Parts: sequence; structure tokens; C-alpha cells
Amino acid sequence: KAGVTQTPRYLIKTRGQQVTLSCSPISGHRSVSWYQQTPGQGLQFLFEYFSETQRNKGNFPGRFSGRQFSNSRSEMNVSTLELGDSALYLCASSLAAAQSSYNEQFFGPGTRLTVL
Amino acid sequence: GNSVTQMEGPVTLSEEAFLTINCTYTATGYPSLFWYVQYPGEGLQLLLKATKADDKGSNKGFEATYRKETTSFHLEKGSVQVSDSAVYFCALTPGTGGYNKLIFGAGTRLAVHP
Repeated sequence: KAGVTQTPRYLIKTRGQQVTLSCSPISGHRSVSWYQQTPGQGLQFLFEYFSETQRNKGNFPGRFSGRQFSNSRSEMNVSTLELGDSALYLCASSLAAAQSSYNEQFFGPGTRLTVL
Repeated sequence: GNSVTQMEGPVTLSEEAFLTINCTYTATGYPSLFWYVQYPGEGLQLLLKATKADDKGSNKGFEATYRKETTSFHLEKGSVQVSDSAVYFCALTPGTGGYNKLIFGAGTRLAVHP
């Protein structure tokens, strides 16, 4: 079974631009979560999508947004990039039916975004 | 609020040494607890988990016990190998709502020398 895939793996942008990252979950997984990893702030939860709806959200500004398609693939978008947005962005998928039980999350390799 | 605190690294050990990485948490309700590992250039892999008090998670020789009374989930391994060199993250998911919202500690880098 193929794992979580993320594209692109590396990206270089300049301040003020916008960027879109893509995540394809494991087949059959309906939940996709996004995390930002930086040396200073560590791993921080961005948001989770389930059945095309945002189900949970972290404490990030509105410049960070996402969506999920009917095939469970997800994209996240960052507008008006800032230097501080340079990070490894990780996507995780899980079966995630109801939120009443634990669901193991499987992580992709990440997209390394550099903002110049 | 919910948070995770783990010991700062790096932790440097010789092969076959005993490993302990301390992790404590603050949470409302009854969280689930996890240890994830990140090898260089890779994403995170789930190492072990525990979903209720007194549960012991174990995998690949690593163990951790969910201690509600001390709000701890320390990672241990009796004999480390060079291949265990990686960054280890302690994490929780909240007990009420946000079951897929992982809250991570800062991570502890482990370096094992031959």
C-alpha cells in the first residue's frame, strides 16, 4: 500500500508570493492533517480536513488555508509569504471516522519551503 | 491548555547503553500519548502509543508507560543501537475533541556512537 505522498518535496519562493502544497493520503484514509515544523517553534498543528470539511484548526493566521477534495487529496495554501514561513510542512492521513476514538496518523516526507 | 514537555537534547550514548527520554504533559480530560521518531530527511513515524492510564506501549525494544499520577510518558530502551540515532518526539491528542490534533514536544535528538 502506498504511503502518504507530498508534492513538491522542495520549493523556493520569495516574500509576498503565494504557494500551494499538495498531499495525497493513503488509499481509504479520509482525514488529512497538516503540520508546520521549524527549528524555533517545533511541530505545530495547522488544520485537519475530513470529508472535504475543516474539522480542527490550529493557531495560524488566515494566510494559511487548505481544502480537501472528494478523493481525500488535500492542498494547503499560504498567501503573502513571509520569511518566517520557511519550514518543513508535513501532511498526515488517518482513517479517522468519528472523533470518539484514537486514529493512528501516518506522515508523509514533507515539503521543504524556503522563502527568500 | 494542552502541552508536552520533553528533555532537551542532544542525548549522546554509546551503543548498548540504556536510554531514557523524559516526557511530561498537561492536558484536560484523558489524552492519548505517543512517541514519534524522525530519521534524517524523513517524515515522522509512530514508534509507540498508549491510550489510557497504566497502558504500556512498546515497539522495537522501546517502551513507555502512561502514568496519570505523574502526568508522564518516559521513553526507555535497554540497549540502543547506532541505527536508533534520530529525533524523538513525545506527543498527545486531547481527550476531548481534536482527536487528530497532535500536540508535540520540542523533540530530543539522540546520537548513538559505536
